[in-house]
This record gives sequence, structure tokens and C-alpha cells, in this order.
Amino acid sequence: EPEVTQTPSHQVTQMGQEVILRCVPISNHLYFYWYRQILGQKVEFLVSFYNNEISEKSEIFDDQFSVERPDGSNFTLKIRSTKLEDSAMYFCASSEARVAEETQYFGPGTRLLVL
Amino acid sequence: RKEVEQDPGPFNVPEGATVAFNCTYSNSASQSFFWYRQDCRKEPKLLMSVYSSGNEDGRFTAQLNRASQYISLLIRDSKLSDSATYLCVVPSGYSTLTFGKGTMLLVSP
Repeated sequence: EPEVTQTPSHQVTQMGQEVILRCVPISNHLYFYWYRQILGQKVEFLVSFYNNEISEKSEIFDDQFSVERPDGSNFTLKIRSTKLEDSAMYFCASSEARVAEETQYFGPGTRLLVL
Repeated sequence: RKEVEQDPGPFNVPEGATVAFNCTYSNSASQSFFWYRQDCRKEPKLLMSVYSSGNEDGRFTAQLNRASQYISLLIRDSKLSDSATYLCVVPSGYSTLTFGKGTMLLVSP
């Protein structure tokens, strides 16, 4: 069964450093998403991406965040200057079409710890 | 603000019990709804989609009441492997999912 993959599984970084989280969505999917889940809290939407541009973004997704599809398979989330409060599990997801009609499939997540 | 509210839990039930979780949502425009399960420190995984009044899949039944903006999930004959957090998820934009905080279920022998 096809699945979303994410690397690394864990990342520890110093406050102020840049991090890049990587995702390989399911191959025939067209919509890509990033979510985050702070420990003990609910899953929160960050951004959606379609046709090489951002479709929607939340208030969390400020200028410190960016997304990119550098090639035909990878989808990345970059945090330019990490803060302590960026510590969370970051999930990538993908779907065949828009969310109201299609299921989003989640990757296993990258656990980010900012020290 | 579009919110999704769930029973806080946790629900502690013995194997074989029937348990029901409730969820209310504020976005009246939503047409589809989802129940995901999330194991500890793992990703959410789709359990059921609900597009009309309800859906049944084996031991799991989801019901939707659009007038009351209420969704429920019923699990019959609970198994130990059903222990997880159950997330009520509602589309809230063109491509945005809003998650509830989840209800934790603990099934004991």
C-alpha cells in the first residue's frame, strides 16, 4: 500500500537555526499539506500546496515558514529561525484531490525539538 | 472561528464493551466529516469518512446529525487494539482540516 514518508524521524536543533523537514507524498496525489502537533495538544493545520503554490495557510504559518517542491517527489517545510515553541511533531499529508472529497493520508511525522 | 469539540475522555472500558464518542462542530457548511485514530506518538490514520447521515464498517458506526451539527462514533465489542485516541475531523476551508482534541479510549482485559 502506498504511503507518505518523512525524514528525519527526529531532529534536535538549537534555537535560531534553520531546519528543513522532508516528505515524499503518495505518487499520484496532487495536494500536499503540513500539520503540526505540540505535545499533548491537537493537530493543527499549517499549509496546503497545489500546483507548485500555496493554496491556504494558517496564522501559525508566518514568514519563518516556507514550503517547496524542489523536484517531482519531495515536499519540504523550512523553518528559517527556529524558536522554542516550534518544538512539535510535524506531519506531512497528501490527497488525490481537495480535502472535502478526498481523504488525507498522513506520514509518520518528524519530531522536532528546539533547545 | 471554526471549532470541533469532543468528549474529553479518557474512556476506560472492558473488552467487549460498547462505547460511543461525541463530537460537535461549528462550521455548518461542512459536507464531509472524518474520524481518525491516533496511537501514542504516531500519525493520525483514517478510520471512517461520513458523507451522509452515517456510515458503518464492521464494529464501527458513525452517525451524523446536520441539524444539531453533531457526529458520533460507536464502537461495539471493543478490543484491546482499539485503545487509541479518536480524532473528530471537519473540513473548514478549501483544503483545511480542523481537528478536535481527541478522545482517548483505553480498553482493558
